[in-house]
Amino acid sequence: DAMVIQNPRYQVTQFGKPVTLSCSQTLNHNVMYWYQQKSSQAPKLLFHYYDKDFNNEADTPDNFQSRRPNTSFCFLDIRSPGLGDAAMYLCATSSGTGVWNGYTFGSGTRLTVV
Amino acid sequence: KNEVEQSPQNLTAQEGEFITINCSYSVGISALHWLQQHPGGGIVSLFMLSSGKKKHGRLIATINIQEKHSSLHITASHPRDSAVYICAVRSGNSGNTPLVFGKGTRLSVIA
Repeated sequence: DAMVIQNPRYQVTQFGKPVTLSCSQTLNHNVMYWYQQKSSQAPKLLFHYYDKDFNNEADTPDNFQSRRPNTSFCFLDIRSPGLGDAAMYLCATSSGTGVWNGYTFGSGTRLTVV
Repeated sequence: KNEVEQSPQNLTAQEGEFITINCSYSVGISALHWLQQHPGGGIVSLFMLSSGKKKHGRLIATINIQEKHSSLHITASHPRDSAVYICAVRSGNSGNTPLVFGKGTRLSVIA
């Protein structure tokens, strides 16, 4: 089945130690999104790619970077994780060709910072 | 003020009850989504609509564009319906416009 896969499901990292979260898709969607969701809060958009065009939200900390080497994969790099970065990180995709193309979400990666 | 407001924030129901979750938004939209998030995190898309009403099994979603309001109804609720239900809107007309999310409604259905 076509889907969005996030790895790992659970990630524990040390304070200040760089960590990378990955997302892959078999849908061939143009657009990939990274959201951060803290407990009992709405998902917050960090950035998104439309093909290779990178779109950063104005309030996304510089500590967060992203790479999209090809259509299928997108990575979220946290250069120096702090305790406040502990959250669920959600990857989603959509086709960029029309507003009526729905979103498909991955299962998320829950990041713990110790 | 969040652009998307949901009510109630938390809801506990007995199995079999009819449930309504409400969503109000303050911007013009091109599409509204209802999403379901179970403990453990994954989000599943339930409905995407811009007018009228959609039905899928025991779930019904309605939207009133003039009033900027949408409702999600669950008939004959069951404990497996327990989850967080999220309303999200898309305000742009291009396919890459990000969703703006409500904070979600946490539903617990008790047997």
